[in-house]
Amino acid sequence: AQSVSQHNHHVILSEAASLELGCNYSYGGTVNLFWYVQYPGQHLQLLLKYFSGDPLVKGIKGFEAEFIKSKFSFNLRKPSVQWSDTAEYFCAAHTDNTDKLIFGTGTRLQVFP
Amino acid sequence: NAGVTQTPKFRILKIGQSMTLQCAQDMNHNYMYWYRQDPGMGLKLIYYSVGAGITDKGEVPNGYNVSRSTTEDFPLRLELAAPSQTSVYFCASRPLGQGFGEQYFGPGTRLTVT
Repeated sequence: AQSVSQHNHHVILSEAASLELGCNYSYGGTVNLFWYVQYPGQHLQLLLKYFSGDPLVKGIKGFEAEFIKSKFSFNLRKPSVQWSDTAEYFCAAHTDNTDKLIFGTGTRLQVFP
Repeated sequence: NAGVTQTPKFRILKIGQSMTLQCAQDMNHNYMYWYRQDPGMGLKLIYYSVGAGITDKGEVPNGYNVSRSTTEDFPLRLELAAPSQTSVYFCASRPLGQGFGEQYFGPGTRLTVT
């Protein structure tokens, strides 16, 4: 069965540190990939998405993610985090044989000033 | 557009009570979804609908029911509330075709069953 794994459950960083959150999926066919962000007390918002083409995608607020097909990965990166990036981040995959999004368990990011 | 709206925002139920969580969207989206979010577990799909009159089970449908009589509304019904249903519930929608997989989420309903 398809699945999405996020191995970093809780990440703590200081402002200006670089961020990389891991995401791996298990599916051999065509896949669309997403990162959603959930700020404290708010609902999920789309951060960025990959459908096809350039494997390096840029999203809002300086985030980017790289799709590496050979590694089944879609890691999220940001060169310099801010306190306002404190949130929970969810990786999700949509495969070509389903109407559903499959979510990872999420990574809680805390950024301290 | 209001997007996806959910009511109530918070609710406390006693074991065995029933309630309906409301979800509405004004974007004319075909697809609608109900998820539950438990700490450390991510989002689990309860039910989904690909259009009015059509619903299907997700990963964790037991204890819930849904209906989709209109494109706009997708209520989730809990018939006999149990403590295991304590969770945050999110409704989401997406249009047919565009941004395949990209979903728009509501603000959530925090439900506690005691």
